[in-house]
Amino acid sequence: DSGVTQTPKHLITATGQRVTLRCSPRSGDLSVYWYQQSLDQGLQFLIQYYNGEERAKGNILERFSAQQFPDLHSELNLSSLELGDSALYFCASSVGTNIRTDTQYFGPGTRLTVL
Amino acid sequence: KNEVEQSPQNLTAQEGEFITINCSYSVGISALHWLQQHPGGGIVSLFMLSSGKKKHGRLIATINIQEKHSSLHITASHPRDSAVYICAVLNSGGSNYKLTFGKGTLLTVNP
Repeated sequence: DSGVTQTPKHLITATGQRVTLRCSPRSGDLSVYWYQQSLDQGLQFLIQYYNGEERAKGNILERFSAQQFPDLHSELNLSSLELGDSALYFCASSVGTNIRTDTQYFGPGTRLTVL
Repeated sequence: KNEVEQSPQNLTAQEGEFITINCSYSVGISALHWLQQHPGGGIVSLFMLSSGKKKHGRLIATINIQEKHSSLHITASHPRDSAVYICAVLNSGGSNYKLTFGKGTLLTVNP
């Protein structure tokens, strides 16, 4: 158990809908990262937040957005869902902001299925 | 051509064998990560390195910056090492960075 929690575990929805994925980092960790893992694209880095502020942006689509709240939990919002958005979404947390050196602890993931 | 190439894609070994998984990349990097993804899907960060060699238990990771190549070695492999091993390269500069993942190597260790 990494100490990172994600809810829900599974989510099934329809095209065009909007969903929110939630992540609670390990106690004491200030950074949260979001990743998408699909069968065809593999793992992709989406975005990083540090202490409430956006720190770095990866391959995040404009239909997706994220935020980190004062209690440090984070939410990833996915809107106008398409079939291709079906994937595993992982969040990870680390104590600081240095991606070169800080170990990331991954949550169990949320499996999103878009029908 | 992908920026990050892993080889082999699939690897089957007998318990006790020495395992090597390779990662080659085509761009200059700041650091390289090795991740392990268990059959159930959970991901664990194994190593982050920008030069030289790191060791943790039976796992050893090396990187050669000039040759743009990294290897992950597992000594005395065990069935519990069966997993997908993924390398990721980090390009950082300024206020943003780019993290690119390989497709992974599926390792199966038979008893």
